[in-house]
Parts: sequence; structure tokens; C-alpha cells
Amino acid sequence: DAKTTQPTSMDCAEGRAANLPCNHSTISGNEYVYWYRQIHSQGPQYIIHGLKNNETNEMASLIITEDRKSSTLILPHATLRDTAVYYCIVRVVRSGNTPLVFGKGTRLSVIA
Amino acid sequence: DAGITQSPRHKVTETGTPVTLRCHQTENHRYMYWYRQDPGHGLRLIHYSYGVKDTDKGEVSDGYSVSRSKTEDFLLTLESATSSQTSVYFCAISDGQGGTEAFFGQGTRLTVV
Repeated sequence: DAKTTQPTSMDCAEGRAANLPCNHSTISGNEYVYWYRQIHSQGPQYIIHGLKNNETNEMASLIITEDRKSSTLILPHATLRDTAVYYCIVRVVRSGNTPLVFGKGTRLSVIA
Repeated sequence: DAGITQSPRHKVTETGTPVTLRCHQTENHRYMYWYRQDPGHGLRLIHYSYGVKDTDKGEVSDGYSVSRSKTEDFLLTLESATSSQTSVYFCAISDGQGGTEAFFGQGTRLTVV
């Protein structure tokens, strides 16, 4: 079972920041938070991940609360091409590998 | 983009026939995964592989088998296709290093009639 809770859908105006929340209240100390997105039935695309510090890359920023029970993915200037389903996933990362377990994600609609 | 190719991209087959989907990678990644995606269910893990000849079952493995005889290829077989296996199938790869991401293929749309 997915261990995250996300809103089913959100809207965002083009050019504005999109803030996508994720609740992971049962996260363990050795679990990362990953974000993926899926644009119109293409394969999911990696966005960003983090353990406890905030992270930023060319696509987005990830803000993780101090207690690690929730996080927010921020797309700073949303465009129409950011319309997609966004998945928040928690995942144990050991020396081996654990499969990603997807929930139903948040459908983000960027509106002109 | 990661070198991952799924074939075929689309297939229509009849109930009861065997079907094999292929995932090919050029990244030399150790881990490979097969997922299916259906409306209302998101992506669900079918099988995965953590090395040549090493595979394990996922959440929805019934009716599917897999094989990995070499690093670059991971085959998913439906021994006797059923209409409930109509779905979009995605392959993913990962190098298994801590904290790294998985890369997904573009998917295979399978219709069983």
C-alpha cells in the first residue's frame, strides 16, 4: 500500500507557483521522499527526492517539514506542459533497491 | 533520456494466446521492473529483477511470468492472456544505488479481445 496521502486534483494558473502537498505521517528514518510525474499516459518521470533537507533542482523544489511527516513539491513557474499526475512516494533505500510503490497521485491542471 | 525501450508499443491479442513484452536497456542497470497501469489504480508492480536470473513477485503477479537471461533484457510473459490483462505496461530500470531514481519506458498498450 502507498504510504502517502495526496489531494486528488489541483488547479494552478500558468506562470504561478504550483504547491503540491503530500502527507507521509508514518515515514521512517531510513525512507526518502520521491516525486514523479506522469504526463498523459507517458512513462513516469523522476522529478526530485530528499531525505530531510530541502532540495532544489532545475525542475522543482522539495520542502520537507522538520518532523518529516509531510512535504511540498513546488513548481516555481508552472506552464501548460506541467499538467500531469504527480506522485509522492516514500521509499526505503538500502544497499540494494526497493521498488517504487505508486498511489493515485495528484492531477495538476495548469490553466492559461 | 535513459536508454530504455519497450516493444511492442501496441498489441492486440486474443484471449488465451501467449504474449511476451520486451524491455531492453542500454544503461547496464542492475534492477528492472514491470508495472501495469489501469484507470483508477495507478501503477502496480507485477515483477521485478535484481540481477540476471534473479526475479521476484510484485503486487499483481498472478498470470504473469518474467525472465532475465541477460542484463539488458527483461521479458514479461502472459502465458494465456485474459481480458483483465488489458492494460498499459511500463518497464523501469534503476542502478540500485542509494537515493537514485528509476527511469521508465514509454509503455506498451496491450488489448486482449
